Amino acid sequence: GAVVSQHPSRVICKSGTSVKIECRSLDFQATTMFWYRQFPKKSLMLMATSNEGSKATYEQGVEKDKFLINHASLTLSTLTVTSAHPEDSSFYICSAAMGPGGREQFFGPGTRLTVL
Amino acid sequence: AQSVTQPDIHITVSEGASLELRCNYSYGATPYLFWYVQSPGQGLQLLLKYFSGDTLVQGIKGFEAEFKRSQSSFNLRKPSVHWSDAAEYFCAVGAPGGATNKLIFGTGTLLAVQP
Repeated sequence: GAVVSQHPSRVICKSGTSVKIECRSLDFQATTMFWYRQFPKKSLMLMATSNEGSKATYEQGVEKDKFLINHASLTLSTLTVTSAHPEDSSFYICSAAMGPGGREQFFGPGTRLTVL
Repeated sequence: AQSVTQPDIHITVSEGASLELRCNYSYGATPYLFWYVQSPGQGLQLLLKYFSGDTLVQGIKGFEAEFKRSQSSFNLRKPSVHWSDAAEYFCAVGAPGGATNKLIFGTGTLLAVQP
């Protein structure tokens, strides 16, 4: 149980285009989902927290107009990287927590974004 | 503010040797504590977690960790390392009681295993 999927697993796009990444909880309802960014050989940096049906809460320094997050249902959150540039290339990982204040996060397998 | 320190960026051990990865945290109360493992290009796999109770926690793949409140530590141990344990290991801290339990990750320890 508690499986989280991400799609796509890998995407290459041209500079200036937008890319959407999906995060789905497959066998549970996720009240809260989290989006992380991981640079090569670095730790995970929390970008934003999203609660179903409400606006995402972004961490300091994360551009909310560039990284659009939508959590339209209890099993799906999307991250859209708008007008992507090479510096947005990274590994993006989502996680999902069960219920309010869920103590444990279940992580997706990650999406490798390369912007040319 | 919460913080997590993993002092060892890179560790090399011989196969069959014991392993201890260090993790220290800063938090005003007892946090939730986690250890994750990540293979290259992969997501995170939970090894073990501590919420409360017995301070010695058993996890998957033969790993264990001990919560020591006096030292603000949650070190990960394995008595005999296998070559397949080579990976990046992350310690993470969560704050209990909040509406959303954000995790703060340490910088990670890269484990290499020598034959």
